[in-house]
Amino acid sequence: DAKTTQPPSMDCAEGRAANLPCNHSTISGNEYVYWYRQIHSQGPQYIIHGLKNNETNEMASLIITEDRKSSTLILPHATLRDTAVYYCIVRAYGQNFVFGPGTRLSVLP
Amino acid sequence: GAVVSQHPSRVICKSGTSVKIECRSLDFQATTMFWYRQFPKKSLMLMATSNEGSKATYEQGVEKDKFLINHASLTLSTLTVTSAHPEDSSFYICSARDQRQPQAETQYFGPGTRLLVL
Repeated sequence: DAKTTQPPSMDCAEGRAANLPCNHSTISGNEYVYWYRQIHSQGPQYIIHGLKNNETNEMASLIITEDRKSSTLILPHATLRDTAVYYCIVRAYGQNFVFGPGTRLSVLP
Repeated sequence: GAVVSQHPSRVICKSGTSVKIECRSLDFQATTMFWYRQFPKKSLMLMATSNEGSKATYEQGVEKDKFLINHASLTLSTLTVTSAHPEDSSFYICSARDQRQPQAETQYFGPGTRLLVL
């Protein structure tokens, strides 16, 4: 079973920041938080991952709360091409990736 | 870096035939690859873990004689759907674990193969 809880869907206006929340209240100390997204009829695309510090790359920022029980993926300037299902996954070294239902993000013009 | 390809991207076959799907890691070596299946409007479900040079590990409920997995090299894993039936129609996705980051082991996914069995 997935160890994360995400809202089933969200809307975001084009050009605005998209903030996608994820709850992982049972996360263990050695588990990383990963974010992937899946655009329709494609394989999942890696976005970002982190352990406890906030992370930023060219795609997004990952904000992890101090107690690590939740995190937020931030797409700073959403475009129509960011419309996808976003998956938040927690896993430790050697564990399989378990995909939940994710959040369906719709970026609106 | 970290590109995974799949071939074919789409295949239509008759019931009873076998279909082979290839998964390749293009710019890194992967001792471990994974095969997933995704039905419409559903999430990805892990079918099996493919280990280079050894037998695959199948998830509960996945028939190993029906879904043959071969991982003959560090960059190639194949999934063969034997005696395919219409209920095997699905989106099959592979992934490869990038072990250049041993503690995080990010997985990179292929673009998927859509199988339609008539």
